[in-house]
Amino acid sequence: DGGITQSPKYLFRKEGQNVTLSCEQNLNHDAMYWYRQDPGQGLRLIYYSQIVNDFQKGDIAEGYSVSREKKESFPLTVTSAQKNPTAFYLCASSINSEGRASYEQYFGPGTRLTVT
Amino acid sequence: DAKTTQPTSMDCAEGRAANLPCNHSTISGNEYVYWYRQIHSQGPQYIIHGLKNNETNEMASLIITEDRKSSTLILPHATLRDTAVYYCIVRVVYSGGGADGLTFGKGTHLIIQP
Repeated sequence: DGGITQSPKYLFRKEGQNVTLSCEQNLNHDAMYWYRQDPGQGLRLIYYSQIVNDFQKGDIAEGYSVSREKKESFPLTVTSAQKNPTAFYLCASSINSEGRASYEQYFGPGTRLTVT
Repeated sequence: DAKTTQPTSMDCAEGRAANLPCNHSTISGNEYVYWYRQIHSQGPQYIIHGLKNNETNEMASLIITEDRKSSTLILPHATLRDTAVYYCIVRVVYSGGGADGLTFGKGTHLIIQP
């Protein structure tokens, strides 16, 4: 089945440690995204990538880093510089082809990160 | 992207139609209306989108007013599994490529009552 996988579902880390969240898609989508969600809030965009080896900062990129070495993969690193890293992290992907008039995004199941 | 206004929460009886309103009075001519929903602790799910015509798919119908300043998402026969937070989003779509992120508000928490 085609889809987006995020692992693990729950992740626990000590403060001061960097942690990398995995996101893989087999939908052959060009664009991939990372969002953060805090309790009772909507999603906020961290980073997005329209093509391999290229990515742009979203609204809350500070304290995060990404890479896009393969079309299928878009890992997110939460660094020790992120002041409030505990949150629900969601990865998404979409087609990004010229001439297409809509870009619905498909989301993964999310990773709940707890930093203590 | 234009901002949207949605009620914080709504109730609907199981089997009845659920009508979720959204105001987007500052929408631009090249902005689409999208609806997503998020069941508790899961990733959001795309429902439907439209530009100015009403749209229908297997999940829902989208009614956009003629002036495009508001829209209504209709779930024709709500079930308990439709309990979720529903997000109305307006965004520019670039037909030449260049998809960017979505801007989510707090959405409407729809509760389907048995």
